[in-house]
Amino acid sequence: DIQMTQSPASLSASLEEIVTITCKASQGIDDYLSWYQQKPGKSPQLLIYDATSLADGVPSRFSGSRSGTQYSLKISRPQVDDSGIYYCLQSYSTPYTFGAGTKLELK
Amino acid sequence: QVTLKESGPGMLQPSKTLSLTCSFSGFSLSTSGMVVSWIRQPSGKSLEWLAAIDWDGDKYYNPSLKSRLTVSKDTSNTQVFLKITSVDIADTATYYCARMDFWGPGTMVTVSS
Repeated sequence: DIQMTQSPASLSASLEEIVTITCKASQGIDDYLSWYQQKPGKSPQLLIYDATSLADGVPSRFSGSRSGTQYSLKISRPQVDDSGIYYCLQSYSTPYTFGAGTKLELK
Repeated sequence: QVTLKESGPGMLQPSKTLSLTCSFSGFSLSTSGMVVSWIRQPSGKSLEWLAAIDWDGDKYYNPSLKSRLTVSKDTSNTQVFLKITSVDIADTATYYCARMDFWGPGTMVTVSS
């Protein structure tokens, strides 16, 4: 199985910061990497697919990038509504695997 | 508009078989490239991909549970099913079906005697 090591586990950020969450894949995944946001009691919502493509309706303050086998989600000037838990997912090979999640709190 | 919705028993006893249904609209599973997956999430924990079935009827399973899982679809390609045999307390979770870009709201399953 491909392991996705996600960090940090949690972070608290101000509305003026740039928030960065990373996922490192245990092997190459050819950019088959998605990012999801999950709010309490809700299902995950797709933010980014194919590592860098913004899903429909997602604000442009969200962006994705890659460096080697490390993938990053960046939130520029986050809004209070961006609080939640963020997960990465590799869909390069089955079993698909998720990162452990990052809990983001905006202050 | 793509929508998916899961349904299940809510609660069942250990050793029983869990049967879940995913009903969806806005797309057809007969369309080339379409895949519907099942994912679960124990309360307060991360997500675990369980299984998937594609437009061609090919099935994919998580090896960690493969012997207990069966995924299938109906002939109208508007429903996908998941069966998990011999459930135990560790199978307590919210179960989601997803096209990966769209997810259902989830159905909570509790395994308890």
